[in-house]
Amino acid sequence: NAGVTQTPKFQVLKTGQSMTLQCAQDMNHNSMYWYRQDPGMGLRLIYYSASEGTTDKGEVPNGYNVSRLNKREFSLRLESAAPSQTSVYFCASSRDYSTDTQYFGPGTRLTVL
Amino acid sequence: AQTVTQSQPEMSVQEAETVTLSCTYDTSESDYYLFWYKQPPSRQMILVIRQEAYKQQNATENRFSVNFQKAAKSFSLKISDSQLGDAAMYFCAYRSAFLVRFGAGTRLTVKP
Repeated sequence: NAGVTQTPKFQVLKTGQSMTLQCAQDMNHNSMYWYRQDPGMGLRLIYYSASEGTTDKGEVPNGYNVSRLNKREFSLRLESAAPSQTSVYFCASSRDYSTDTQYFGPGTRLTVL
Repeated sequence: AQTVTQSQPEMSVQEAETVTLSCTYDTSESDYYLFWYKQPPSRQMILVIRQEAYKQQNATENRFSVNFQKAAKSFSLKISDSQLGDAAMYFCAYRSAFLVRFGAGTRLTVKP
């Protein structure tokens, strides 16, 4: 039981490049989330998926897109990376979309030059 | 708008002593949940403790306990018998349906 896994762990991009962050969970959770963590700001919600087949914007969605590929997988795409997107990205999942506890992946450190 | 404030950017405690981390939040909701997460240098976010707003009893998990003051909108974390492994960033979080807010974090240092 691996919980929530994320790939890659580290990534360096040049401005304008695109990439997709992958997330998978094996806990049979219905809801999944993407956060970014910046120094001094805690975590901020980018997008979430309440259940398979649905996605919604969070607090800071600009510059990102997501895909809920199936119940297990939820990917985050940067179409044209900008230096402002340099951050640590966390994926999380929870049993349902109400107020259940979220379980986090190990994070991806992304640097955009 | 809902906000979560952790007023102590850094705290330190002597091993085996007790330390309290502060968290206040702002909300007009009556039904919500509060969490404390620990983030060690490995970067993994680990749930420490969870409190349902409708419960008056303060949550406890072994050496970790909270002081939940709903009227004051305060949610502090007490760590008893501090251990070296408790050294980490601690984040307070508020959740109401899909609204999630995290505080900026408190860095806890444990001195041997």
